[in-house]
Amino acid sequence: GENVEQHPSTLSVQEGDSAVIKCTYSDSASNYFPWYKQELGKRPQLIIDIRSNVGEKKDQRIAVTLNKTAKHFSLHITETQPEDSAVYFCAASRRGSNFGNEKLTFGTGTRLTIIP
Amino acid sequence: GAGVSQSPSNKVTEKGKDVELRCDPISGHTALYWYRQRLGQGLEFLIYFQGNSAPDKSGLPSDRFSAERTGESVSTLTIQRTQQEDSAVYLCASSLDPSPVEKLFFGSGTQLSVL
Repeated sequence: GENVEQHPSTLSVQEGDSAVIKCTYSDSASNYFPWYKQELGKRPQLIIDIRSNVGEKKDQRIAVTLNKTAKHFSLHITETQPEDSAVYFCAASRRGSNFGNEKLTFGTGTRLTIIP
Repeated sequence: GAGVSQSPSNKVTEKGKDVELRCDPISGHTALYWYRQRLGQGLEFLIYFQGNSAPDKSGLPSDRFSAERTGESVSTLTIQRTQQEDSAVYLCASSLDPSPVEKLFFGSGTQLSVL
């Protein structure tokens, strides 16, 4: 089955600086890669996702890049703000008519702390 | 409409007792997932339902764990003879399927503490 590794496990960044979180996956057939944000005591929420037919996707201050050859993808947060402090999870799965419905396999999470 | 609802929000039980956790997914969501999150850890997959059937139950850690779903709606996760290592937050999520993307909507979880 799929195995997703995530690094670093903790990350502290000065407010205004950028943060980068990296994930690798094992199943070359995986084609869908979302990122979830979990604030303290709250439920995980989807913040951005990318499919394997694109290499980069941006949404305001966050972006995700995907390298299919190397089987890794990264989350980039620019101009970090205190409200970006949370645990971030990457995930991978196979989606599409050939695969039906397959579960999301999550990474172990990165605790991001923004230092004011 | 309403989001994913889980009950109870907190459950304290004694070792050896059985517990039942409930999940009400978003109406119309055909896919339903159970994940477990130990303190400070990641999201550990347990089981998922497509409709009322469970095509993938590979994450259930032992035969003490079981789950069912009825009416393509409510799901219950049952843990028999609870052990201290079962202590965790049990998260339920639902999604609209089929879909080229798999946006999961999570419930707020059930915090299970086994004494």
